[in-house]
Amino acid sequence: DFVMTQSPLSLPVTLGQPASISCRSSQSLVHSDGNTYLSWFQQRPGQSPRRLIYQISNRDSGVPDRFSGSGSGTEFTLKISRVEAEDVGVYYCMQGTQWPYTFGQGTKLEIK
Amino acid sequence: EVQLVESGGGLVQPGGSLRLSCAASGFTFSKYWMNWVRQAPGKGLEWVAIINQDGGDRHCVASVEGRFTVSRDNAKNSLYLQMNSLRAEDTAVYFCVRDDGHHSVDSWGPGTLVTVSS
Repeated sequence: DFVMTQSPLSLPVTLGQPASISCRSSQSLVHSDGNTYLSWFQQRPGQSPRRLIYQISNRDSGVPDRFSGSGSGTEFTLKISRVEAEDVGVYYCMQGTQWPYTFGQGTKLEIK
Repeated sequence: EVQLVESGGGLVQPGGSLRLSCAASGFTFSKYWMNWVRQAPGKGLEWVAIINQDGGDRHCVASVEGRFTVSRDNAKNSLYLQMNSLRAEDTAVYFCVRDDGHHSVDSWGPGTLVTVSS
């Protein structure tokens, strides 16, 4: 199985400041069809996860443009340009290149 | 609007069985692969099972292989997870999750809690 490793696991951020989460895969996520299936999810306290980004950098409908994704191969990053109070929660990366889909351990974002 | 609502969770003894259901609405259920994902209390997300549109192709994660079976009834817009020989480590919130057809998942239900304990 592909192992997804996130860092940091805890991320205290001041309101209005940027934040960055790293996700590393144990193997390249480039699929045989040429695409890279790396998604990012946000789970606010007490809620179900919500997808933010798919295929590395495509934002889902309704996701603020302060969220952006980048990377390639085995290294990926989720960036929040200016953290707002509603961004508190746990962020997960997920690979869909090979079954079983696997998730990172999660990064808990909190406000300083 | 896509809606997924799980049911069937509860307290069960080790070695027992439980059947989870997921009622889908707001989209053409029969056109989508569907998944079950679980989250142990205070822990991260773990993909459990996936099933294709007609139920003929299904996969489970190794830790539940042979104990859990995913199925669906397109006429009832419903997804199921039959869980047998339950263990304490199966304790989790189980989410019904729609596959977007492009190697990702895009809609989640609120989840149903399964607690395996004597």
